[in-house]
Amino acid sequence: GENVEQHPSTLSVQEGDSAVIKCTYSDSASNYFPWYKQELGKGPQLIIDIRSNVGEKKDQRIAVTLNKTAKHFSLHITETQPEDSAVYFCAASGIGMRGAGGTSYGKLTFGQGTILTVHP
Amino acid sequence: KAGVTQTPRYLIKTRGQQVTLSCSPISGHRSVSWYQQTPGQGLQFLFEYFSETQRNKGNFPGRFSGRQFSNSRSEMNVSTLELGDSALYLCASSRSLDSAFYGYTFGSGTRLTVV
Repeated sequence: GENVEQHPSTLSVQEGDSAVIKCTYSDSASNYFPWYKQELGKGPQLIIDIRSNVGEKKDQRIAVTLNKTAKHFSLHITETQPEDSAVYFCAASGIGMRGAGGTSYGKLTFGQGTILTVHP
Repeated sequence: KAGVTQTPRYLIKTRGQQVTLSCSPISGHRSVSWYQQTPGQGLQFLFEYFSETQRNKGNFPGRFSGRQFSNSRSEMNVSTLELGDSALYLCASSRSLDSAFYGYTFGSGTRLTVV
């Protein structure tokens, strides 16, 4: 099955700096890559996602890049703010994929998470 | 609009007991997935339901089960609780037949503690 590795596990930056979190995936058939932000006591919140037919996507201070050949994708946060402090998770999935043992429906394979701390 | 609602928020159970957790998806969302989140194993997929049918299942023992009702609300059940079942259980919903297409929205979870 799919395996997603995420680095670094912790990241500390000064307010205004950029932060980059990287993930690699193992299943070349995966075609959907979301990023989630989880704050204390809350569930993961989708912040940006990218599909395999796109190399880069940007939404204000957040951008995601995808390299299908190398099977890795990255989250870039510019001009970080203290409220960006949270745990960030990458994930991989297949839209409409059917594996030998079943389907990919509803299944996101998550990385282990990155604790981002933005110091004022 | 209301988000994904999970009840209860917190539960404390004793080993050997069983527990039922509830999830109400966003109105109009027909796909509901469940995840277990622990510090050691991270976020792991349990199962997914669409139109009352389980379409996908993760690698969890048969003690973990679920169902979906005609109004898309879902429940998951864990029988014969073990200490290792202590975790945050998250529910996610999506509006599409192909549940990844429009993204998943997560609830705040149910924190289960087994003592």
